[in-house]
Amino acid sequence: NAGVTQTPKFRVLKTGQSMTLLCAQDMNHEYMYWYRQDPGMGLRLIHYSVGEGTTAKGEVPDGYNVSRLKKQNFLLGLESAAPSQTSVYFCASSEVRGHGVSNEQFFGPGTRLTVL
Amino acid sequence: DAKTTQPNSMESNEEEPVHLPCNHSTISGTDYIHWYRQLPSQGPEYVIHGLTSNVNNRMASLAIAEDRKSSTLILHRATLRDAAVYYCILRDPGGSGNTGKLIFGQGTTLQVKP
Repeated sequence: NAGVTQTPKFRVLKTGQSMTLLCAQDMNHEYMYWYRQDPGMGLRLIHYSVGEGTTAKGEVPDGYNVSRLKKQNFLLGLESAAPSQTSVYFCASSEVRGHGVSNEQFFGPGTRLTVL
Repeated sequence: DAKTTQPNSMESNEEEPVHLPCNHSTISGTDYIHWYRQLPSQGPEYVIHGLTSNVNNRMASLAIAEDRKSSTLILHRATLRDAAVYYCILRDPGGSGNTGKLIFGQGTTLQVKP
């Protein structure tokens, strides 16, 4: 099992450019998440998905869009990149174990994005 | 979401036990206590979680106070590889439609000295 993989690992953009970050998981997990982490800070949730075809906003969704067309993939898009979006982006997934049962999230290695 | 409070940093010597504290005085009865850690330049990884009873796994132990207002992550013998940021997170799996969301704070940066 590869677990959670992210593409690309690094990227430099100019202000106003667009790009898509790809997250893939091979654990058949229902739930997937996108976080961003700024220097010296904890992770903040951007968007998440509780199943194929569904997405929802997290803490900091502005400037990002997401899609979950296939269960194993979760895409994060930046339509018009801004320097404030310079960050490390982490994807995560988890399975559903039923109401009231907690479970762990599995994280990818991250994508380091710089917007000039 | 209930909040947690952790020290910003702690130091430990290699091969000695480490006790990482977490206060969560506003915890609700259905909140689980989760611990994750983040090694340098990596994504977070799950360490352990519990509800009421103390928990042990191959990585660590979790000691939960009887009133559940605090907990302690215990690394029994710290190694250099345990140097990381440790996050204590409360999660209610039955709340908000059970979306599995985690709310990260700033965590505790653990330094391990040889």
